[in-house]
Amino acid sequence: LAKTTQPISMDSYEGQEVNITCSHNNIATNDYITWYQQFPSQGPRFIIQGYKTKVTNEVASLFIPADRKSSTLSLPRVSLSDTAVYYCLVGEPLPNSGGYQKVTFGTGTKLQVIP
Amino acid sequence: DAGVTQSPTHLIKTRGQHVTLRCSPISGHKSVSWYQQVLGQGPQFIFQYYEKEERGRGNFPDRFSARQFPNYSSELNVNALLLGDSALYLCASSLRLGGSSYNEQFFGPGTRLTVL
Repeated sequence: LAKTTQPISMDSYEGQEVNITCSHNNIATNDYITWYQQFPSQGPRFIIQGYKTKVTNEVASLFIPADRKSSTLSLPRVSLSDTAVYYCLVGEPLPNSGGYQKVTFGTGTKLQVIP
Repeated sequence: DAGVTQSPTHLIKTRGQHVTLRCSPISGHKSVSWYQQVLGQGPQFIFQYYEKEERGRGNFPDRFSARQFPNYSSELNVNALLLGDSALYLCASSLRLGGSSYNEQFFGPGTRLTVL
């Protein structure tokens, strides 16, 4: 099973760009990398997903090097409302026979945005 | 469109009791997964159901069971509650089960279970 390693916590000032790096040395060929955001007492919310190189959407960018053993979530110009826990996940491969999609969350990175 | 809904939002039980948690997936989603999130930790996978069949199970004891109904809603049952079962129980739905790409899961707000 592919495991992920992230910093436990990070602090950033409002308006700064925040980069959270995740290590996933045992990522499998068919695995995708996905990031979720979670506020206290709420369910996780999908942020971005990628397989390789760079992916950008309206809220974040995801950088994945060629070896795919790590990935970096980039949040541009964070605000106080971005204070949350961010989880990096590696998608379990799905067998052709119809396996299941087991999602493995790590401990996440607690981002604190400071005024 | 309504998101994933869960009921109840909060629940207090005593050790040894039984609990049933309910989840309604997003309309059109056929897969439902259950997760347990203990305070300070990431969610831990319990079950995944697709088309009313159990397709995956995490490392949880047999006291935990679930089922999915014809309308794709789901119930999680926990018997003989222990203090350690106190957690936020999250339900997530997704459109399909398989495929070559990651299948995004949409999470509900969770049910906060407290076992005294």
